[in-house]
Amino acid sequence: RKEVEQDPGPFNVPEGATVAFNCTYSNSASQSFFWYRQDCRKEPKLLMSVYSSGNEDGRFTAQLNRASQYISLLIRDSKLSDSATYLCVVTKGGSQGNLIFGKGTKLSVKP
Amino acid sequence: DAGITQSPRHKVTETGTPVTLRCHQTENHRYMYWYRQDPGHGLRLIHYSYGVKDTDKGEVSDGYSVSRSKTEDFLLTLESATSSQTSVYFCAISPRGSNTGELFFGEGSRLTVL
Repeated sequence: RKEVEQDPGPFNVPEGATVAFNCTYSNSASQSFFWYRQDCRKEPKLLMSVYSSGNEDGRFTAQLNRASQYISLLIRDSKLSDSATYLCVVTKGGSQGNLIFGKGTKLSVKP
Repeated sequence: DAGITQSPRHKVTETGTPVTLRCHQTENHRYMYWYRQDPGHGLRLIHYSYGVKDTDKGEVSDGYSVSRSKTEDFLLTLESATSSQTSVYFCAISPRGSNTGELFFGEGSRLTVL
């Protein structure tokens, strides 16, 4: 099992749709989880952290299931500007430099 | 936006030549990182630094060296570039370290090795 796995997509959805991305991780000792967003040919940017109890930031909701080693990101009322690649990121414990990045899921929101 | 700049932004070089990429920050952050991003792979850590002259290897450090003589600059050197080092290189900085997940990335340096 790969350390962090994501469905590569692309997810093609119409504006206003709700879309969910899933991510699984292999290291049960992982403590912290994040979603990053990367626009085409741009740098990644932190979108949100993922907390055990789940958390919401506007139209974005992140969920964590430690038992299943599974993280999700839900985007409601999709906007054209949401088109990007979404990276699942997991810590693997230990020293610095311990972030594992997934390959990303590409989202394309169409008018 | 985080005060982080990378140079050069684009470079084409030939196999066997040395290449140095520079990362400069104006945030005075302690932690700095070099990643590479390739199709079919997530971002992979090359080297990181946790202070002046304090550096350590990441997942894919072979063929790369780094130096940090000042807080604001983190240099990545390819002593003898190979075609497998064709990639997009991202520098990142963090105020409290990667455990927080709070990394701020530069715009990237696109390197092509012919």
